Amino acid sequence: DSGVTQTPKHLITATGQRVTLRCSPRSGDLSVYWYQQSLDQGLQFLIQYYNGEERAKGNILERFSAQQFPDLHSELNLSSLELGDSALYFCASSANRDTSGNTIYFGEGSWLTVV
Amino acid sequence: QQQVKQSPQSLIVQKGGISIINCAYENTAFDYFPWYQQFPGKGPALLIAIRPDVSEKKEGRFTISFNKSAKQFSLHIMDSQPGDSATYFCAAQVYNNNDMRFGAGTRLTVKP
Repeated sequence: DSGVTQTPKHLITATGQRVTLRCSPRSGDLSVYWYQQSLDQGLQFLIQYYNGEERAKGNILERFSAQQFPDLHSELNLSSLELGDSALYFCASSANRDTSGNTIYFGEGSWLTVV
Repeated sequence: QQQVKQSPQSLIVQKGGISIINCAYENTAFDYFPWYQQFPGKGPALLIAIRPDVSEKKEGRFTISFNKSAKQFSLHIMDSQPGDSATYFCAAQVYNNNDMRFGAGTRLTVKP
């Protein structure tokens, strides 16, 4: 158990809808990262927040947004969903601001199926 | 755009054998190269990582070999065990950039 908690574990929704994925980082970790894992795109970094502020941005679509709250939990909002958004979304956390040389801990993911 | 190319896609090794997974990168600005291990139903977990100032790093049965001039790095698993059966991802990033780029993954099966 990595200590990173993600909810929901599974979600099925229709195209055009909006969903929110939630992540609670490990106790004391200030950084939260979101990744998308799909069959065709592999594992992709989406975005990172550090202590409430956006720290780094990867291949995140404009339809997607995230935020980190004062209690350090994070939410990833996915809107105007398309079939291609079906994927496993991982949250990860780390104590530090940067990933290089530091261990980031992944949750077990939220499976999103868009039908 | 695939900035990190990983091979093979799948690998079957006998128990006690050596598993070798290769990765190649394009961006010469990359200077941090981690490997992740992922078991079914779980998130990836950091296995071992290397920076380009060394050509090899060993942790237990796991070794990273790094060839900066060839822009290639590889993971060697010595004395492979059935418990090593998992998907392995190589990754690369510019140090402290945090936009980590992953290879496509290698599904390793170690037969008893």
